[in-house]
Amino acid sequence: ETGVTQTPRHLVMGMTNKKSLKCEQHLGHNAMYWYKQSAKKPLELMFVYSLEERVENNSVPSRFSPECPNSSHLFLHLHTLQPEDSALYLCASSRRGTGIYEQYFGPGTRLTVT
Amino acid sequence: AQSVTQLGSHVSVSEGALVLLRCNYSSSVPPYLFWYVQYPNQGLQLLLKYTTGATLVKGINGFEAEFKKSETSFHLTKPSAHMSDAAEYFCAVSGTGNQFYFGTGTSLTVIP
Repeated sequence: ETGVTQTPRHLVMGMTNKKSLKCEQHLGHNAMYWYKQSAKKPLELMFVYSLEERVENNSVPSRFSPECPNSSHLFLHLHTLQPEDSALYLCASSRRGTGIYEQYFGPGTRLTVT
Repeated sequence: AQSVTQLGSHVSVSEGALVLLRCNYSSSVPPYLFWYVQYPNQGLQLLLKYTTGATLVKGINGFEAEFKKSETSFHLTKPSAHMSDAAEYFCAVSGTGNQFYFGTGTSLTVIP
């Protein structure tokens, strides 16, 4: 595998289910990100992890719970979601240091909440 | 604070015609600017970036963008559109901590 991979690619879940999204980066980066992409809206940054420590949490509801066990893996745990949470969830990774580094994106997980 | 405005959510061009996608930014610090492309059912792919130095930046697939500080713009162009250019294009500006601020995207349609 190369780049950033995400599984599953599609997920349909009920409002009472618990599921997890997985992201893996094969680029040797030390920062990882979760974004939410909804139609006609800018990408919303949800969480940022740097060196496995969460450094950003942009007022995301607690029904979304991230986990970063190491610099290559990132999870997004989902529980009791709402229909408005249906969206494309994108994972990204980058180097992290004193400069600005481009982010590399995975293909996304298309989530539908019924 | 950083933000990006992309003028025109949909742009249609004929195959072989000039592509021009507009991006204006707001930044409280010297900006780093990026253009990403998203093909259907895929993630975002970096087209090009401006950090410092030369204001005309060349990217992949024949695209280029020019940083104009006086106009706070970073418009994306390609001299001749190809059918394979049909996609969603996103402009982004960087903030502190490598946080990126994305525009709402421009959908490009190429008419044969």
